[in-house]
Amino acid sequence: DTAVSQTPKYLVTQMGNDKSIKCEQNLGHDTMYWYKQDSKKFLKIMFSYNNKELIINETVPNRFSPKSPDKAHLNLHINSLELGDSAVYFCASSQEIALDEQYFGPGTRLTVT
Amino acid sequence: KQEVTQIPAALSVPEGENLVLNCSFTDSAIYNLQWFRQDPGKGLTSLLLIQSSQREQTSGRLNASLDKSSGRSTLYIAASQPGDSATYLCAASGGSYIPTFGRGTSLIVHP
Repeated sequence: DTAVSQTPKYLVTQMGNDKSIKCEQNLGHDTMYWYKQDSKKFLKIMFSYNNKELIINETVPNRFSPKSPDKAHLNLHINSLELGDSAVYFCASSQEIALDEQYFGPGTRLTVT
Repeated sequence: KQEVTQIPAALSVPEGENLVLNCSFTDSAIYNLQWFRQDPGKGLTSLLLIQSSQREQTSGRLNASLDKSSGRSTLYIAASQPGDSATYLCAASGGSYIPTFGRGTSLIVHP
């Protein structure tokens, strides 16, 4: 009965490839987020969607494109993968943006070789 | 731009000790401050959320306080246990709606 789920859990791919990470939440929240945690464990927000509308876009390269088909899903598509994209990507959700408790998914560890 | 600092970066204590983890933020115009724990290879688990109008929140052995004027929050863990071993992160959410995380305090509680 997972609240925020992500697939896949691990993703190993070569430079230049395009890949997607999927996220789903069953909490009925209006807001979803994507975070990147680098090798030094620093967690930084990438995007936030509220009711399928993009609210936050934090100077992320345009190779990264989030897509929200509905309130319960926020997918992350990455084009032309680079070595520096290797990290753990976390999806999260909350009812209202910046006002409510955030719930995190288990993370997707992306390794670009 | 909001900056969040957590001190200490690492802490190793014997079981049973009472602990204080510190989180400071540079911009006091925040909506709330949230504390999380992260176990190795796992996602973040929310511990406590303090709204800007509140001074503290409690859950079991955990107590978090917030002093907006000084830009500080503390997480107090009473009677620490080995199961408390994890990385503890704080995040401040401000007027730009951007949650800003600290780099965490890595805690080891040994039996």
